[in-house]
Amino acid sequence: DGGITQSPKYLFRKEGQNVTLSCEQNLNHDAMYWYRQDPGQGLRLIYYSQIVNDFQKGDIAEGYSVSREKKESFPLTVTSAQKNPTAFYLCASSPDRANSPLHFGNGTRLTVT
Amino acid sequence: GENVEQHPSTLSVQEGDSAVIKCTYSDSASNYFPWYKQELGKRPQLIIDIRSNVGEKKDQRIAVTLNKTAKHFSLHITETQPEDSAVYFCAAKGGGGNKLTFGTGTQLKVEL
Repeated sequence: DGGITQSPKYLFRKEGQNVTLSCEQNLNHDAMYWYRQDPGQGLRLIYYSQIVNDFQKGDIAEGYSVSREKKESFPLTVTSAQKNPTAFYLCASSPDRANSPLHFGNGTRLTVT
Repeated sequence: GENVEQHPSTLSVQEGDSAVIKCTYSDSASNYFPWYKQELGKRPQLIIDIRSNVGEKKDQRIAVTLNKTAKHFSLHITETQPEDSAVYFCAAKGGGGNKLTFGTGTQLKVEL
């Protein structure tokens, strides 16, 4: 919906396992982002990428990794080093123009037990 | 980096009343300020945005004001309706890059 697809909607993992969240967009946007949403804390930026094969750490990158091999795809791996991985993860994209709004996917709710 | 503070965290109004949500930002170079609405279980969606060369912008029942000197901006919703009930997020983009920093959100409840 809206050109950005996140899968799966719900994901369950055991502690100590790495898990990869998928994000695909067909909007031909150059920039892609990963945010984490926790109750009362708003949206916090994990990683972002403004061009293929390049990405930058956001405010809470520890315990996460990303890749940007294709313009359409920006998968996020939550590693076992992330201390509190249970959260709602939102992927977004935007044209790489100044002051362009973000378009969000529907999110993936990750639960780690 | 940019820091955005948002108040109040919760807001209850009667249907038909106005609602105001306020945000402050820290980076004086910030030049883009969008507002997003997130309904329960859904993705955030842009409802209005304003750029630093404009002091006010209006779209039907929604308006945003920006005070660059004081580094704050506000969302105004008039004639509130039950469907306005949602979480609202403000955000600011700093002078460098295309990275948005979000406020912590306001849960708006419009009561009948």
